[in-house]
Amino acid sequence: AQSVTQLGSHVSVSEGALVLLRCNYSSSVPPYLFWYVQYPNQGLQLLLKYTTGATLVKGINGFEAEFKKSETSFHLTKPSAHMSDAAEYFCAVLRSGNTGKLIFGQGTTLQVKP
Amino acid sequence: EAQVTQNPRYLITVTGKKLTVTCSQNMNHEYMSWYRQDPGLGLRQIYYSMNVEVTDKGDVPEGYKVSRKEKRNFPLILESPSPNQTSLYFCASGRDGSYNEQFFGPGTRLTVL
Repeated sequence: AQSVTQLGSHVSVSEGALVLLRCNYSSSVPPYLFWYVQYPNQGLQLLLKYTTGATLVKGINGFEAEFKKSETSFHLTKPSAHMSDAAEYFCAVLRSGNTGKLIFGQGTTLQVKP
Repeated sequence: EAQVTQNPRYLITVTGKKLTVTCSQNMNHEYMSWYRQDPGLGLRQIYYSMNVEVTDKGDVPEGYKVSRKEKRNFPLILESPSPNQTSLYFCASGRDGSYNEQFFGPGTRLTVL
């Protein structure tokens, strides 16, 4: 069965510091991986996705993630945090079988301190 | 503007009173689905639809019904709501059920007393 684990339900960084949100997945088939962001009182917005090809994926708002098959990880990073990055972040894997089902991690709330 | 809309955004109801949460998309997407979000559990899929008149259960379908009579609409029906269905609900749509981006609605916060 496929699953996603996000390490740390809350992460706090200072403005300008590196953001690192951890995601590990379990999948017996090559995974399609996603990071979504949820701002307060809003729906989820796609930050980036990995399907095939280049393992370093760049997304919106300066975020990027690297697919590491050997570590079954897909960590999200941003070199310099901005106050507007404060939100909840979800890692997800697309379930195999073409059902469109996204299997989400528990979510990580990012706090950015001035 | 490409979007997924949900109504209502907030709803407080009582146990057993039937309700419908509407979902509509304007992107001509074939794929639509419903998720519920609960603290510490992330989002879990309730139902999904690959196309008109084609629906199937997700992980947590008990207590919910859906229909897909038109491509753009995918309402979620709670025939007899119970307190354990208090949650934040999201509708999503995508071009198909593949790795293409899925677009999420703004959410409906439901409280069942």
